[in-house]
Amino acid sequence: DVKVTQSSRYLVKRTGEKVFLECVQDMDHENMFWYRQDPGLGLRLIYFSYDVKMKEKGDIPEGYSVSREKKERFSLILESASTNQTSMYLCASRPRDRYYEQYFGPGTRLTVT
Amino acid sequence: AQSVTQLDSHVSVSEGTPVLLRCNYSSSYSPSLFWYVQHPNKGLQLLLKYTSAATLVKGINGFEAEFKKSETSFHLTKPSAHMSDAAEYFCVVSGGYQKVTFGTGTKLQVIP
Repeated sequence: DVKVTQSSRYLVKRTGEKVFLECVQDMDHENMFWYRQDPGLGLRLIYFSYDVKMKEKGDIPEGYSVSREKKERFSLILESASTNQTSMYLCASRPRDRYYEQYFGPGTRLTVT
Repeated sequence: AQSVTQLDSHVSVSEGTPVLLRCNYSSSYSPSLFWYVQHPNKGLQLLLKYTSAATLVKGINGFEAEFKKSETSFHLTKPSAHMSDAAEYFCVVSGGYQKVTFGTGTKLQVIP
C-alpha cells in the first residue's frame, strides 16, 4: 500500500511564527503536492514538485514556500504564519507517468492564533 | 483553462435509496475526470476515474459515474446508499499534464 504521512494531525501556532509541515511518501513517486482545504472552497493547490529540488507555484502560493531535498520528503513552510492560514493542509504524491493516481496524506489541521 | 462545478454542497438521502452527486466540468483539453471521497478526519481516497476509455466507469463500494461529453457532466451514482457512504465527495478534472482542479465538494448525509 502506498503511504503518505504528514508529521502532525493538529498544530497550533502563533501569528508570526515560522511553521514547517512535513510530508513523506514511501512509493518513490516523482511528483508531490501541497493543497489547502477550506469549507466551500474545495482543495486549492499551493505548490508542487516534480523532482528533487524542483518546485512550481500552484494557484495560491503567496505566504508559503516549499523544500524538496530528498525524493520522499516535501516540506511546506509558512515563513510568518497569519490567521488567514488557518486551514487543513493536505499533501499528495503520484508517479510521473500516471497523473490520475494521486495519493493523499491524512492532513494537518493548522490553527494560527 | 479548466473548471469543475459540483452543483450541490449538501445531499441527504435515506439508507437504501439511490445516490446522485452532480458534477459539471469545462476543459480546453480532452479531460480526465475523477471522484474522490473523504471520510471525517481522513485523507482523500480515489473512488473512480475516467481517462478516455469506457464512458461508464465503475469504482469502489458500488459507486459509478458516466462521462457525458455533450452535457459536460460526470455525475456520481450509487443504487442504494449505506450509512458508511456518509462523507464528502470531490469531483476533479485534469485537462493537461500536472494540472488538476478540484470541485468545492458535496457532503453526503445518509439518514437511517
